[in-house]
Amino acid sequence: KAGVTQTPRYLIKTRGQQVTLSCSPISGHRSVSWYQQTPGQGLQFLFEYFSETQRNKGNFPGRFSGRQFSNSRSEMNVSTLELGDSALYLCASSLGTGRPNTEAFFGQGTRLTVV
Amino acid sequence: ELKVEQNPLFLSMQEGKNYTIYCNYSTTSDRLYWYRQDPGKSLESLFVLLSNGAVKQEGRLMASLDTKARLSTLHITAAVHDLSATYFCAVEIRGSNYKLTFGKGTLLTVNP
Repeated sequence: KAGVTQTPRYLIKTRGQQVTLSCSPISGHRSVSWYQQTPGQGLQFLFEYFSETQRNKGNFPGRFSGRQFSNSRSEMNVSTLELGDSALYLCASSLGTGRPNTEAFFGQGTRLTVV
Repeated sequence: ELKVEQNPLFLSMQEGKNYTIYCNYSTTSDRLYWYRQDPGKSLESLFVLLSNGAVKQEGRLMASLDTKARLSTLHITAAVHDLSATYFCAVEIRGSNYKLTFGKGTLLTVNP
């Protein structure tokens, strides 16, 4: 079955601009989580959505926001981009229920470069 | 705040040798994951460990979990070059809704 799809794969933006990243989860999965990966800070949790509701949020400024649609696809938005926002952004898809035998599967990521 | 520490951060091995990567965490966890990441690629799930004493093996990799010691290990047996990658452990706390806290990763290089 199809995996987690993230678009676009690569982006170059200028400081001050905003960007929207998209994540389509595995069919049937209702939970989508977002992570930022940088060489300095490693992998850090941004937020998690389930059934269009944000259930958990990491320690990122308000410039980072997200949403989830009724088909479980999720978008992440970063406004007023800073150089430090350059990173690989990964989303993870999971059932969201039916524990404990569920796990998160990651997409290929979106490489964002801010210049 | 949950802290996850991996060591070593860098590991250079000869093919055919054995070695272990350690993952310590600071709070009672619900699940522990091991992931592999190749350069420029995403995270590939290797193991999910759910309970104390859990042991899982896939090929030359074996992972174990000791929840009392808050320690997981990833053991590599008879390493081959194809295992060269960065390995991450990640911890999920019960009720955190899939919020994973990652270790810094172990960059493994297997030399012929």
